[in-house]
Amino acid sequence: GAGVSQSPSNKVTEKGKDVELRCDPISGHTALYWYRQSLGQGLEFLIYFQGNSAPDKSGLPSDRFSAERTGGSVSTLTIQRTQQEDSAVYLCASSVRDRGLNEQFFGPGTRLTVL
Amino acid sequence: GNSVTQMEGPVTLSEEAFLTINCTYTATGYPSLFWYVQYPGEGLQLLLKATKADDKGSNKGFEATYRKETTSFHLEKGSVQVSDSAVYFCALSDWSSASKIIFGSGTRLSIRP
Repeated sequence: GAGVSQSPSNKVTEKGKDVELRCDPISGHTALYWYRQSLGQGLEFLIYFQGNSAPDKSGLPSDRFSAERTGGSVSTLTIQRTQQEDSAVYLCASSVRDRGLNEQFFGPGTRLTVL
Repeated sequence: GNSVTQMEGPVTLSEEAFLTINCTYTATGYPSLFWYVQYPGEGLQLLLKATKADDKGSNKGFEATYRKETTSFHLEKGSVQVSDSAVYFCALSDWSSASKIIFGSGTRLSIRP
């Protein structure tokens, strides 16, 4: 079946502009996660959605970052007034929340470059 | 809090060499443990997993055993191939903090023909 998809695959923007990144999770997966992978860094958790519960936003680095998940499916990560340090690969993952496992399936990522 | 520490890279080996990438973890509960792999130009893929102590995850010739007594989940392969060149991430997921996977910093592996 279809995996997690993300768009765009690459985004180049100018400092100060807003960007929107999209994630389509695997159908039927109730949990959706956003991570950021900066050059030479590991994976940094950003935000998590589970069903209709309030999202866990504990990883968002600043109030310029926000995310929505509409209808329990597609998610959009928005970065306002982008800065050069926002340049990274943004990864989305989804999972079926299963006690004790929580295997996450990752999309190919969106590479964001802020000039 | 929960954390994962893995061997720093880069690691460079010759083809058919034995591979070990060390990974240790700290967790308050009973985590599930994972190795993810990221091949050049591709997204993260789950390589193998283990959900309880003494479980052995295996895939594509790679193995890792969940060792609770040493809080470790070392990745091993008996004979590496050039196609194994990638970045490997050790990770854990703990139901008590359940919302996210905690990743190690990644180990870049390069295999010489």
